[in-house]
Amino acid sequence: TQLLEQSPQFLSIQEGENLTVYCNSSSVFSSLQWYRQEPGEGPVLLVTVVTGGEVKKLKRLTFQFGDARKDSSLHITAAQPGDTGLYLCAGASGNQFYFGTGTSLTVIP
Amino acid sequence: ETGVTQSPTHLIKTRGQQVTLRCSSQSGHNTVSWYQQALGQGPQFIFQYYREEENGRGNFPPRFSGLQFPNYSSELNVNALELDDSALYLCASRRELSTDTQYFGPGTRLTVL
Repeated sequence: TQLLEQSPQFLSIQEGENLTVYCNSSSVFSSLQWYRQEPGEGPVLLVTVVTGGEVKKLKRLTFQFGDARKDSSLHITAAQPGDTGLYLCAGASGNQFYFGTGTSLTVIP
Repeated sequence: ETGVTQSPTHLIKTRGQQVTLRCSSQSGHNTVSWYQQALGQGPQFIFQYYREEENGRGNFPPRFSGLQFPNYSSELNVNALELDDSALYLCASRRELSTDTQYFGPGTRLTVL
């Protein structure tokens, strides 16, 4: 079983604050995806990182893939209420995807 | 909009019944994966289909079965429903088995009473 653990599990912050979400595993993945999911909807893909050490930026979101391709982080700068949702990481291995436990983010106006 | 659709949106069943959930993949995608997501948790992989054949299965009992049709749409069947089967069922499609980018449908919310 390839387990991906995310931390923190819950996060409640004020609008304008910065935050980082972590996704850790003991397994190596060929790539890693980050998704955001809103209640009652399917996850929406934010980014895919492929190369160890890779950093991708998407407006206020910065994603990093660990050098050993076992972990990743998502950093949000100046969080806004629209960033509220469940953030999921997923590692790809052997043509399958293994999802993390999720981080529920609430940004308070 | 990902182009992946699922039906029905919501479903209520009683324990012991059987259910069929449907998924239409995005145009040009030949791989469909099914996931079960309990409230507040990450999706758990059930199985996936590639060109009408099952290709990979998670830790789910045989009463969870599936099918993929020539147009690459897919069905998830669950027999002998249990209370713990209550969850959001998600399907995701991707262009090829080896592609790392998958797109999710909106899910089917199943409640077992």
